[in-house]
Amino acid sequence: GQNIDQPTEMTATEGAIVQINCTYQTSGFNGLFWYQQHAGEAPTFLSYNVLDGLEEKGRFSSFLSRSKGYSYLLLKELQMKDSASYLCAVTSGGFKTIFGAGTRLFVKA
Amino acid sequence: DTGVSQNPRHKITKRGQNVTFRCDPISEHNRLYWYRQTLGQGPEFLTYFQNEAQLEKSRLLSDRFSAERPKGSFSTLEIQRTEQGDSAMYLCASSLGQGAQPSSYNEQFFGPGTRLTVL
Repeated sequence: GQNIDQPTEMTATEGAIVQINCTYQTSGFNGLFWYQQHAGEAPTFLSYNVLDGLEEKGRFSSFLSRSKGYSYLLLKELQMKDSASYLCAVTSGGFKTIFGAGTRLFVKA
Repeated sequence: DTGVSQNPRHKITKRGQNVTFRCDPISEHNRLYWYRQTLGQGPEFLTYFQNEAQLEKSRLLSDRFSAERPKGSFSTLEIQRTEQGDSAMYLCASSLGQGAQPSSYNEQFFGPGTRLTVL
């Protein structure tokens, strides 16, 4: 079976750092994506990992461990506009992409 | 605007009716995806095209759903004999898709979606 697990909700304070975890079990693995989705809007791309290690992109970083089936998204210097859902997605068996249910992040002042 | 566009943005229909949605991808993108998303869930994969070829279709998709991409550009998703359980946001995405293996070029750009309500 194919399964992607993420926490349902997280709350963090403006200016802080938050880590959103994702574990996956898929029949194949060709890469892991993180997307951001604000309420009522379409998902937008944040990061991509295919090899183990950390990918950094401004305030956002994403880590992958293929042997553990684990990834995390790290958001630094949180801003109120970062309040959104964060979707972990795995591309397996070609280009079929499986999304997790998403983690709703609430940033408070 | 050169992003992914979808029409209509909203559709209300009665149970049993057929509906068709259209997606226009970013012009140079050869890969096109359809997803369905319900409240509190991530996008659920429905089907995927590379150019005009439909390469994969979710086993969760019943025979009431069909998708086409006749000229490798725009795509349509048709739902026949709609049911109340079909009510959802239908998202289309496209990607550039260079090379045989996924890469960051497979970043998917999503359209605004079509919200379907079946009464």
